[in-house]
Amino acid sequence: EVQLVESGGGLVQPGGSLRLSCEASGFTFSDHYVDWVRQAPGKGLEWVGRSRNKANSYSTEYAASVKGRFTVSRDDSMHSLYLQMNSLKTEDTAVYYCARTTPSNFFDYWGRGTLVTVSS
Amino acid sequence: QAGLTQPPSVSGGLRQTATLTCTGNNNNVGNQGAAWLQQHQGHPPQLLSFRNNNRPSGISERFSASRSGNTASLTITGLQPEDEADYYCSAWDSSLTAVVFGGGTKLTVL
Repeated sequence: EVQLVESGGGLVQPGGSLRLSCEASGFTFSDHYVDWVRQAPGKGLEWVGRSRNKANSYSTEYAASVKGRFTVSRDDSMHSLYLQMNSLKTEDTAVYYCARTTPSNFFDYWGRGTLVTVSS
Repeated sequence: QAGLTQPPSVSGGLRQTATLTCTGNNNNVGNQGAAWLQQHQGHPPQLLSFRNNNRPSGISERFSASRSGNTASLTITGLQPEDEADYYCSAWDSSLTAVVFGGGTKLTVL
């Protein structure tokens, strides 16, 4: 059974940093792209960033709203995806999901999410 | 980043049919096709269809998707109370090199 479990969310002050983790199981993690998607309270889904697989040089992509502040990385040996978030803003407050992605760019499995609250 | 356009709300009667739309452009829906996601309150999204009308295993045949030009559609037949949810479309935008989402449509079953 494919599972994705996010962790690391919490309360952080504006300007602060936080690192999220997503642990995967039930599939060959190294074969897949994995993305971060967020959802602000009461709002829609917003794509955050992507880590492609080893076959695609672990290349990354980012949404314009987070580029330069967030970094996506992965450790295939740990079956894990990470999101390092720096210079956090109040508008980064959201539930952050990791999602398994196919090369056709659709999200076929999602974690349950972890809540990040940026507030003073 | 520019997103896809979805109507904020759609409603349909019990056992009737509802059609949700998602409009993009030649760089996303018109080029790559769209995926549809269903999200019930307090739960993560779930993939309903991809590449316009492929359903993952376990998804009811009552959900069918199509595309015409830059507009993708999701048709839900035989509406059930459990179909009340938010529905999102998504696509890869080759110009933005980013995933774009629609703003979501809230489906109400009357």
